[in-house]
Amino acid sequence: DAGVIQSPRHEVTEMGQEVTLRCKPISGHDYLFWYRQTMMRGLELLIYFNNNVPIDDSGMPEDRFSAKMPNASFSTLKIQPSEPRDSAVYFCASSLRGRGGELFFGEGSRLTVL
Amino acid sequence: DAKTTQPPSMDCAEGRAANLPCNHSTISGNEYVYWYRQIHSQGPQYIIHGLKNNETNEMASLIITEDRKSSTLILPHATLRDTAVYYCIAIDRGSTLGRLYFGRGTQLTVWP
Repeated sequence: DAGVIQSPRHEVTEMGQEVTLRCKPISGHDYLFWYRQTMMRGLELLIYFNNNVPIDDSGMPEDRFSAKMPNASFSTLKIQPSEPRDSAVYFCASSLRGRGGELFFGEGSRLTVL
Repeated sequence: DAKTTQPPSMDCAEGRAANLPCNHSTISGNEYVYWYRQIHSQGPQYIIHGLKNNETNEMASLIITEDRKSSTLILPHATLRDTAVYYCIAIDRGSTLGRLYFGRGTQLTVWP
């Protein structure tokens, strides 16, 4: 299996622009997670889905952030409008039901908002 | 979930065993101990987990004390590629799925 695939790996944008990050989970995994990592706050869970349905979005920082999972093989995290404080590495992870603590992470998308 | 405490940094000579400690004195009976590591610029990688028995896999061994208040991750023959931040996490797999609190972890540096 190719693992969790994220794109783009790097994104540089200007404040106010829309940013869309993409994720393809491991085939057959029914949970998908979006995390954000910064030096100040470490790794934070933003939102997670089970069978394409958002279960817990309490970690989403504000209304500028939204996430969707239209099908089992694709998810997006959108920031609109972006701000410099959104600069971070965003990780997507997936897991199988019954293996709750065993997450498989992608290589991340490094976002820089100028 | 139980809070875990790890030393901020450790180092180890290549080829020697790396023993990474973790304190989880408030762990409950339903909580498992999970270990992840994060190599620079990569996503976290699952290593191993356990409840109360010692566990071993191809990557590492996990030793959990009898009272379950602490554990040690052992990399038996550390290599330069094991240089990473290691995270110890206590998880109730039933109630906190996905909500892994990674903390700051231990920066392990393996040197030649």
